[in-house]
Amino acid sequence: AQSVTQPDIHITVSEGASLELRCNYSYGATPYLFWYVQSPGQGLQLLLKYFSGDTLVQGIKGFEAEFKRSQSSFNLRKPSVHWSDAAEYICAGAPTGFDSGGYQKVTFGIGTKLQVIP
Amino acid sequence: ETGVTQSPTHLIKTRGQQVTLRCSSQSGHNTVSWYQQALGQGPQFIFQYYREEENGRGNFPPRFSGLQFPNYSSELNVNALELDDSALYLCASSTILASRYEQYFGPGTRLTVT
Repeated sequence: AQSVTQPDIHITVSEGASLELRCNYSYGATPYLFWYVQSPGQGLQLLLKYFSGDTLVQGIKGFEAEFKRSQSSFNLRKPSVHWSDAAEYICAGAPTGFDSGGYQKVTFGIGTKLQVIP
Repeated sequence: ETGVTQSPTHLIKTRGQQVTLRCSSQSGHNTVSWYQQALGQGPQFIFQYYREEENGRGNFPPRFSGLQFPNYSSELNVNALELDDSALYLCASSTILASRYEQYFGPGTRLTVT
């Protein structure tokens, strides 16, 4: 079954420290991969996406993610965290091509809540 | 270019009632997907509409139904509300291209069932 796993439910980092949030996927073939950020009570904002090509993907707000096929991972990183980065981060995957039903289904992870301490 | 909007922002209903949630897609997008996000969980796919027809559905019962209109706005209807239906309901619009898929989300509707 297609799935996206985020092993860490909650992470706390100090402001200015580096950040890495983990995401693992399980698909028959390399999927499209996404990272979203969600502030409390808000919708999801796309940070970055991976479709193919360069395995290091740059996104908005200083975030980047690296696709590693050998590890089935797509981890999100930021070299220096700001207090405003505190939010929920959700990884998602979608199969390349159409699902058997003719639609493209996105599967989301459970999310990692990031807390930033001064 | 306007983004995805949803209404209402918050809603409180009683068990057994019916509810309709609304979504306006981003300009130029012909596909809308609806998701349910329970507290502490990731979004769960409910269904997707493309050109006014449902073309994909997740593991949700038939009392969850939807519509997409010619202007690509959409409704999510839930009948016979249950307590477990309390959640943030998100809609996302997109365009289905040959090999790409990227969604733009609205702010959500927070539904509370008492």
